[in-house]
Amino acid sequence: QQQVKQSPQSLIVQKGGISIINCAYENTAFDYFPWYQQFPGKGPALLIAIRPDVSEKKEGRFTISFNKSAKQFSLHIMDSQPGDSATYFCAASDDKIIFGKGTRLHILP
Amino acid sequence: DVKVTQSSRYLVKRTGEKVFLECVQDMDHENMFWYRQDPGLGLRLIYFSYDVKMKEKGDIPEGYSVSREKKERFSLILESASTNQTSMYLCASSEVPNYGYTFGSGTRLTVV
Repeated sequence: QQQVKQSPQSLIVQKGGISIINCAYENTAFDYFPWYQQFPGKGPALLIAIRPDVSEKKEGRFTISFNKSAKQFSLHIMDSQPGDSATYFCAASDDKIIFGKGTRLHILP
Repeated sequence: DVKVTQSSRYLVKRTGEKVFLECVQDMDHENMFWYRQDPGLGLRLIYFSYDVKMKEKGDIPEGYSVSREKKERFSLILESASTNQTSMYLCASSEVPNYGYTFGSGTRLTVV
C-alpha cells in the first residue's frame, strides 16, 4: 500500500532522444508527487512536482504526466542531453514521503 | 539558496566506534530528516524531527539515535558502528513536512 514502484532501474538514451521513467503507487491518499535528480557525489535535488488535480506539468524539457485513475505518473525528459545523466527518484507523499528506488539515466553523447 | 550542510563527505570508522554525523540547515526549517542510501534499495528513512527536542523513528531506526538540541542542527548517532552500516547518509530539511525536501551532499561512511 505504501510502496512507490519505479521503472526502469537503468536507462540509456541517445542525445536528443526522449527519456521516460515511470512510477506507480497504491495509496490514493498521496497528494504530492515530486521527482528528484541526483548527480554523483551530490544529494538529491527537487526537480519538478505535481499535485493530483492536474494531469501534466511542464518545466522546460521536463514534464510530469499524471494518470490518477491508473495510479501512475511518469517523468519525460525531452531532447535529452549528456548533462541529464543522473539518478532520478520519484516520490509520493501525504503524511509521509515514500521514494521509489531510483533510475540511473545515461545519455549517450 | 537553502543550504543543508553535512560536516563530512567521507568517513572511515572502526567496528564498535560511536559515530556522529552532523547536519546543519540555514533556512529556519522546522523539519529535518536522516536517510541512508544504498544501491538497489533507494532512500530509507532512519529518523526525523518536526521540532527542536522532538524525534521520531523512521523505517530503519535500529542501531541509530538522533539529537536535535537546536533548530538548525540534527545529528545522527551510530551507537556502536557495524559493517552493515556502511552506506551513504543523507540529511534533508523542509519547510513543510514531507514536501519539497532540500538534501545535503551526503556523508559516505565506511565501517571497517
